[in-house]
Amino acid sequence: KQEVTQIPAALSVPEGENLVLNCSFTDSAIYNLQWFRQDPGKGLTSLLLIQSSQREQTSGRLNASLDKSSGRSTLYIAASQPGDSATYLCAVRPQTSGTYKYIFGTGTRLKVLA
Amino acid sequence: DGGITQSPKYLFRKEGQNVTLSCEQNLNHDAMYWYRQDPGQGLRLIYYSQIVNDFQKGDIAEGYSVSREKKESFPLTVTSAQKNPTAFYLCASSPHGRRTTLYNEKLFFGSGTQLSVL
Repeated sequence: KQEVTQIPAALSVPEGENLVLNCSFTDSAIYNLQWFRQDPGKGLTSLLLIQSSQREQTSGRLNASLDKSSGRSTLYIAASQPGDSATYLCAVRPQTSGTYKYIFGTGTRLKVLA
Repeated sequence: DGGITQSPKYLFRKEGQNVTLSCEQNLNHDAMYWYRQDPGQGLRLIYYSQIVNDFQKGDIAEGYSVSREKKESFPLTVTSAQKNPTAFYLCASSPHGRRTTLYNEKLFFGSGTQLSVL
């Protein structure tokens, strides 16, 4: 059974720091991995999607990498800003026939201090 | 602007009452999903629909029901059989449901409904 883990559960950093968020999954048979951002009391916004054949994706100050064989993904945020404060979730889409499910991690709550 | 609209933002349920959460999208997406989010837990799939008039149970469907009579709409009913309904409910969609070659699509989410028990 696919399980997705995000450690740490919470993280505080001073403004301007570069930081890395971690996501691990137990079964490498996935179609893709997505990183999402969630603000308090709001829905999720997709940040980056990495297909299983890709190693990384970049969008602005965000860079996500995928190492499928080791079951790991990282989200790198450069030059963090207070506006980056949110919960970041990762989710994988398993290669299970006939399913359209995503399996979500529990998220890392990020606080960037001004 | 295209998007997913969930209503209401806050909902209170009395014991023994059924309540319905609304989800409407104008993105012309085939697939729609309902997730439940509890504090400290990942999102869990309640129901999903790949096409109009078709839907499948997710991991925690007991105590919930859905319908998909129109492409744009996927309402979720929380029945009195759901004994622990307090949670944040999220509706999502993705462009294509049944095309198996199109697994690499982003999920788009609504802003959520917080359901509480009175």
